[in-house]
Amino acid sequence: GQNIDQPTEMTATEGAIVQINCTYQTSGFNGLFWYQQHAGEAPTFLSYNVLDGLEEKGRFSSFLSRSKGYSYLLLKELQMKDSASYLCAVVDSNYQLIWGAGTKLIIKP
Amino acid sequence: DAMVIQNPRYQVTQFGKPVTLSCSQTLNHNVMYWYQQKSSQAPKLLFHYYDKDFNNEADTPDNFQSRRPNTSFCFLDIRSPGLGDAAMYLCATSRGTSGSAEQFFGPGTRLTVL
Repeated sequence: GQNIDQPTEMTATEGAIVQINCTYQTSGFNGLFWYQQHAGEAPTFLSYNVLDGLEEKGRFSSFLSRSKGYSYLLLKELQMKDSASYLCAVVDSNYQLIWGAGTKLIIKP
Repeated sequence: DAMVIQNPRYQVTQFGKPVTLSCSQTLNHNVMYWYQQKSSQAPKLLFHYYDKDFNNEADTPDNFQSRRPNTSFCFLDIRSPGLGDAAMYLCATSRGTSGSAEQFFGPGTRLTVL
């Protein structure tokens, strides 16, 4: 079967750095997305990785290792508004998006 | 601004009473998706349309139907809602289905079944 694993919940302090991990086992791989979802709202796109390595976009960076079936989202200089769920989703061989359940990130002052 | 619009944002229905949720888009994307998302769970794909081609997920209950009368609009019909159908329903669009095709989401419709 296809599986995406992420921690259920993480807590971090405002101004700090946090890394949210995602491991996947899918039938094929055509890229990995990270989405941010605030409570009661729709997911919004953060990043897409298809090649190994680190992609940096402002305070957010995303890393991919295809050989290890592993990605992480790195959030720097955390702000209170970063409190949200972060969903990892993998595009499989049929170009279907396989979603993780998301990691709820709680930011404390 | 180009966007994905869902109406209504909140829908309350009675057990067994049919309900229709709507989605429209101004992005001119050829692919539209309907997801069901329950609290703290991953979005679950119900159907998607590639242009007029309808794709039903194997485990989508028959109670759920969809229509796409034109490029801009898509509807989700729940014929006989049960208590287990209470969820957030998300509509999304994308330009094609290539690996890098980002999905753009509407704000969702939260369905309550009484």
